[in-house]
Amino acid sequence: EDQVTQSPEALRLQEGESSSLNCSYTVSGLRGLFWYRQDPGKGPEFLFTLYSAGEEKEKERLKATLTKKESFLHITAPKPEDSATYLCAVQAPYSWGKLQFGAGTQVVVTP
Amino acid sequence: NAGVMQNPRHLVRRRGQEARLRCSPMKGHSHVYWYRQLPEEGLKFMVYLQKENIIDESGMPKERFSAEFPKEGPSILRIQQVVRGDSAAYFCASSTGGTQGYNEQFFGPGTRLTVL
Repeated sequence: EDQVTQSPEALRLQEGESSSLNCSYTVSGLRGLFWYRQDPGKGPEFLFTLYSAGEEKEKERLKATLTKKESFLHITAPKPEDSATYLCAVQAPYSWGKLQFGAGTQVVVTP
Repeated sequence: NAGVMQNPRHLVRRRGQEARLRCSPMKGHSHVYWYRQLPEEGLKFMVYLQKENIIDESGMPKERFSAEFPKEGPSILRIQQVVRGDSAAYFCASSTGGTQGYNEQFFGPGTRLTVL
């Protein structure tokens, strides 16, 4: 069965302390890898889609990268408002729209 | 520029009752997806629908659960004879039907179902 594993489970950062989150997957022939942000009590908020190894995308303090087996979400100089759970999801080549999510990384940024 | 809308936001049912969850996709989106997030667990795919068609229901429990997306009106996720284990947050997502952004799913705020 395809696996999506996110690490670490939780991350506590000081404001301004850059770090990276990891998402590893076992899907072959990935159709797409997606990053979402989820705040408590809310629905996931779309951040990025990555389609092929070597691809990178940026949005404010976030940068997502993709290799053949994993993706990284880099948070540069985080602020307290970046505190959230970050979810990674993959879409397999044989799936018709189904996203398979990892368990998420809970990020807390303290002032 | 409304996003995905779900109602109700909170729903309380007693064991054995029926729960109906509604989802209106973003304007211009014709694909709808339902996911469930159990306490302390990740998001799990349930079903994928287009107007009047179920495309993939591989994540739906075999009994008591059904989904529809009629030609007119919102998508409905229906749970019959609810049990305590159905307590969860149910999220709807939508996407366009075109090749650009085809796979990008945008989520609603969720319906939190509590079964007493």
